[in-house]
Amino acid sequence: DTAVSQTPKYLVTQMGNDKSIKCEQNLGHDTMYWYKQDSKKFLKIMFSYNNKELIINETVPNRFSPKSPDKAHLNLHINSLELGDSAVYFCASSRKWTSGRETQYFGPGTRLLVL
Amino acid sequence: GENVEQHPSTLSVQEGDSAVIKCTYSDSASNYFPWYKQELGKGPQLIIDIRSNVGEKKDQRIAVTLNKTAKHFSLHITETQPEDSAVYFCAARKDGNSGYSTLTFGKGTMLLVSP
Repeated sequence: DTAVSQTPKYLVTQMGNDKSIKCEQNLGHDTMYWYKQDSKKFLKIMFSYNNKELIINETVPNRFSPKSPDKAHLNLHINSLELGDSAVYFCASSRKWTSGRETQYFGPGTRLLVL
Repeated sequence: GENVEQHPSTLSVQEGDSAVIKCTYSDSASNYFPWYKQELGKGPQLIIDIRSNVGEKKDQRIAVTLNKTAKHFSLHITETQPEDSAVYFCAARKDGNSGYSTLTFGKGTMLLVSP
């Protein structure tokens, strides 16, 4: 029943490692997003995909590589993890704003801690 | 780009009181303003939104007002209850090319409702 799901919920890893976070939505939406929420709760867009195509990339280091195998999935791979990557990562999905129903639905988040 | 300022950063009220959270935005082209509620350990959830062609919208105990001239919008919660305790985010969006655009979030307000 979960509309937007993410795995894993928690991720603890060492600096320099490579890790992936997976996201799936069952809402039939065309657009998916990755957000980063820092320790001060600030939410910032990282990427947006529409129908497997990257449409927004907000000045994110190229160590972060999103991949969308189909429009229901948007995964985030992070290479060479750094301490500053520690944050909560949220996946979200929505219809196109032109549909008039552009509410973004967020997943439960993945809490990443880099040691 | 768009800049959204949100105040206050924390707000403590007694159960039954009203709570008001205010946001200002910088880009006069922004035309969609959602409010999200984030409970501890969960992803943000939309609670109400307003478009620029409307000055006020109400849904039971919550209401949002928009002043386009002054570029500010506010969330009003009446008869607050302990379960209203959460972090609230305002956001602003303007229509992008090809139907794609991003939300710019405020920094959040932690609302604490004491019984």
